[in-house]
Amino acid sequence: GAVVSQHPSRVICKSGTSVKIECRSLDFQATTMFWYRQFPKQSLMLMATSNEGSKATYEQGVEKDKFLINHASLTLSTLTVTSAHPEDSSFYICSAGPGHLSGNSPLHFGNGTRLTVT
Amino acid sequence: AQSVTQLDSHVSVSEGTPVLLRCNYSSSYSPSLFWYVQHPNKGLQLLLKYTSAATLVKGINGFEAEFKKSETSFHLTKPSAHMSDAAEYFCVVSVYNDMRFGAGTRLTVKP
Repeated sequence: GAVVSQHPSRVICKSGTSVKIECRSLDFQATTMFWYRQFPKQSLMLMATSNEGSKATYEQGVEKDKFLINHASLTLSTLTVTSAHPEDSSFYICSAGPGHLSGNSPLHFGNGTRLTVT
Repeated sequence: AQSVTQLDSHVSVSEGTPVLLRCNYSSSYSPSLFWYVQHPNKGLQLLLKYTSAATLVKGINGFEAEFKKSETSFHLTKPSAHMSDAAEYFCVVSVYNDMRFGAGTRLTVKP
């Protein structure tokens, strides 16, 4: 079945530094990938929709200059948390689906990245 | 816009007894509905999906769900709980690629 690989699984960084998280679709091409943030014991909050070859679409309230998204190929999207602060500590999850999503295609999720900013 | 409500934030069952996780949705269009499971510090795994075909959907690990349009429900069931089923479960409604997640139901399985 379709597999989405997310790396790293855990990262600890110092306040003020930047962290890059990668999301790869391993056996399919993903025109669209999604980035979510999950707070402890809460549901997933959609941060942005990553479109291959174009700018990402950010949800209301998400700072595009802080959470930089690049979707340079059909199999790779990256999320860079710039100038990270302790409040950015969270669990970040990406997802993707084969081809152009019609709403009927289930998304496949990466295993998430636990970011801790000290 | 569509939305989904998971009626129980926490469900506790004994091993070997049935599981029922409840989900109600709201949508102006014909939705696709999904159930995902998340184990601690992991991503989400698709359990099953409804996409306007059969209303009773069978998924992995013995789970199934029934789409009931008249009740706008998509409850997840399993006849006999296993210890490995303990996890967080999310009901998701999707219309034209716009996915909305429920708040999640934490399933605890007691030995």
